[in-house]
Amino acid sequence: DAGVTQSPTHLIKTRGQHVTLRCSPISGHKSVSWYQQVLGQGPQFIFQYYEKEERGRGNFPDRFSARQFPNYSSELNVNALLLGDSALYLCASSPGKGVYEQYFGPGTRLTVT
Amino acid sequence: TQLLEQSPQFLSIQEGENLTVYCNSSSVFSSLQWYRQEPGEGPVLLVTVVTGGEVKKLKRLTFQFGDARKDSSLHITAAQPGDTGLYLCAGSQSGGSYIPTFGRGTSLIVHP
Repeated sequence: DAGVTQSPTHLIKTRGQHVTLRCSPISGHKSVSWYQQVLGQGPQFIFQYYEKEERGRGNFPDRFSARQFPNYSSELNVNALLLGDSALYLCASSPGKGVYEQYFGPGTRLTVT
Repeated sequence: TQLLEQSPQFLSIQEGENLTVYCNSSSVFSSLQWYRQEPGEGPVLLVTVVTGGEVKKLKRLTFQFGDARKDSSLHITAAQPGDTGLYLCAGSQSGGSYIPTFGRGTSLIVHP
């Protein structure tokens, strides 16, 4: 079975631009979470969606938004990019509402110049 | 201040050595997970512990959840170069926010 997939794998953007990252969960998984991982740190929780509804939100500005589609795939949008948004963005899926056991994708490496 | 403190931050050892890494908090967790992450990849789930005092084994890896569910340890016996990676602990607070928290990780290098 396919694991969690993310696209694109790498992305370079300029300050002020916006970006859309995409994630497809493991088949049958209804929950998708997004994380930001800066070099040298553990992943920081951004959002969790379950059955197309937002179930959790981390301490990130309103420039960050997300949504989940009927097929349970998800998009993360970031507006007005800052240099500090440069990071590895990880998507994780889990079968149910809880995020206790998550299966991560390979991530999207975003560089903001 | 990190909710989950991992130690040590870095560890460089020779093949065949044993090691223990720690994940500590002042908060109680309903469950705690350990992940291993290799450069350029997402974390891979190793184990979930849910009961205070629980011990789980995965080949040469032994995971323990503290009796009070505030801390956990990972012990690797006879480390191999393939064990190299970033070891992360993560958990959700018992009765608190739904938001899961990750520690900063322990970066392990095992030299042949």
